[in-house]
Amino acid sequence: EAGVTQFPSHSVIEKGQTVTLRCDPISGHDNLYWYRRVMGKEIKFLLHFVKESKQDESGMPNNRFLAERTGGTYSTLKVQPAELEDSGVYFCASSHTGPSKNIQYFGAGTRLSVL
Amino acid sequence: RKEVEQDPGPFNVPEGATVAFNCTYSNSASQSFFWYRQDCRKEPKLLMSVYSSGNEDGRFTAQLNRASQYISLLIRDSKLSDSATYLCAVIGGYQKVTFGTGTKLQVIP
Repeated sequence: EAGVTQFPSHSVIEKGQTVTLRCDPISGHDNLYWYRRVMGKEIKFLLHFVKESKQDESGMPNNRFLAERTGGTYSTLKVQPAELEDSGVYFCASSHTGPSKNIQYFGAGTRLSVL
Repeated sequence: RKEVEQDPGPFNVPEGATVAFNCTYSNSASQSFFWYRQDCRKEPKLLMSVYSSGNEDGRFTAQLNRASQYISLLIRDSKLSDSATYLCAVIGGYQKVTFGTGTKLQVIP
């Protein structure tokens, strides 16, 4: 079974540019989550999809961040325009529904550097 | 005060030693608790769930103390391959995971 995959693994962009990160969850997982780790800090929750619907987006930093999950399969996280403080590692995770819903499997992350 | 607090370490221990990590959480309504392991520049990987009754998986034992709002992880007979950062993870409502900053473990030959 394929795990959570994220693309790209690394992205280096200039301040003011746009970047789109992609996450493919484990097949059959309705729950999809985005997290971010900035340097020296803990991993922080950004948002949670159940299928194509946003269940909780309380962690999104500001309106420069837009997450979508059209069709309830893969998800994208777009940052537009990127700022220096957006640099960090963006992790995606997915989980089943039901009793094991809290067991989240993480992708390898996208390392974003904004220069 | 952070929602989930861990001693960042590093903990430097010799092979074969027993080492214990603690983690405290502030939200008494938290529902689920986990330990994740994260290797350098890799994703967090689930190590084990944590229950009040305690659970053991080989050399690893996890325990939850709801009254004092802390969880612990005990590693016996440390191996070089145990060197990693151990993340405490707490879930409140809506499956949102709150992580601690992680405790770095270095097992020395």
